[in-house]
Amino acid sequence: AQSVTQLDSQVPVFEEAPVELRCNYSSSVSVYLFWYVQYPNQGLQLLLKYLSGSTLVKGINGFEAEFNKSQTSFHLRKPSVHISDTAEYFCAVSDPGGTSYGKLTFGQGTILTVHP
Amino acid sequence: GAGVSQSPSNKVTEKGKDVELRCDPISGHTALYWYRQSLGQGLEFLIYFQGNSAPDKSGLPSDRFSAERTGGSVSTLTIQRTQQEDSAVYLCASSFSQMNTEAFFGQGTRLTVV
Repeated sequence: AQSVTQLDSQVPVFEEAPVELRCNYSSSVSVYLFWYVQYPNQGLQLLLKYLSGSTLVKGINGFEAEFNKSQTSFHLRKPSVHISDTAEYFCAVSDPGGTSYGKLTFGQGTILTVHP
Repeated sequence: GAGVSQSPSNKVTEKGKDVELRCDPISGHTALYWYRQSLGQGLEFLIYFQGNSAPDKSGLPSDRFSAERTGGSVSTLTIQRTQQEDSAVYLCASSFSQMNTEAFFGQGTRLTVV
């Protein structure tokens, strides 16, 4: 079984400041890792994913994340945030060896609020 | 269509009534997933379809919940004898196949049981 912990439920930050949203996972098998963003009253949109290879993954809207196997972490970063980045962010894992290949296990979410 | 479509977008129902939630996946997507998003439980997996078959129903919370998929396309999630704890946003996602790692989500159906 897998689990995902997002260490911060809310992160306030000023516009143009850097931000890091933290995610740790627990799994007995190798996993795929994802970050999704949810804007108010909308569905989830994929920001980026780690499947294999380079541990630094770049996504849309200037976000990037780094997979750290020894620390079982997949933290999301952006060097300079905009007001429009205000949203809820979800870290998720899937088990590529499982019967439900694409089934996602989500963290509890982090609400990022960007202040002017 | 261009994306995953869910209907209705909002549903208010009385406790004890049955409800049906519909999901139209992206054309050609064989894998379809239902998730539930609620304040107390976050985002939870409910059921997974590959084509018309549901190899993983492990997330359905009780036997009041069922789902089907027809023609490898539209899926319906049915909740019988609704309870207040069923109030949540129900999200549907689809992907090209179960091997494909990008799932596209609909905007969800907000269910309120009064």
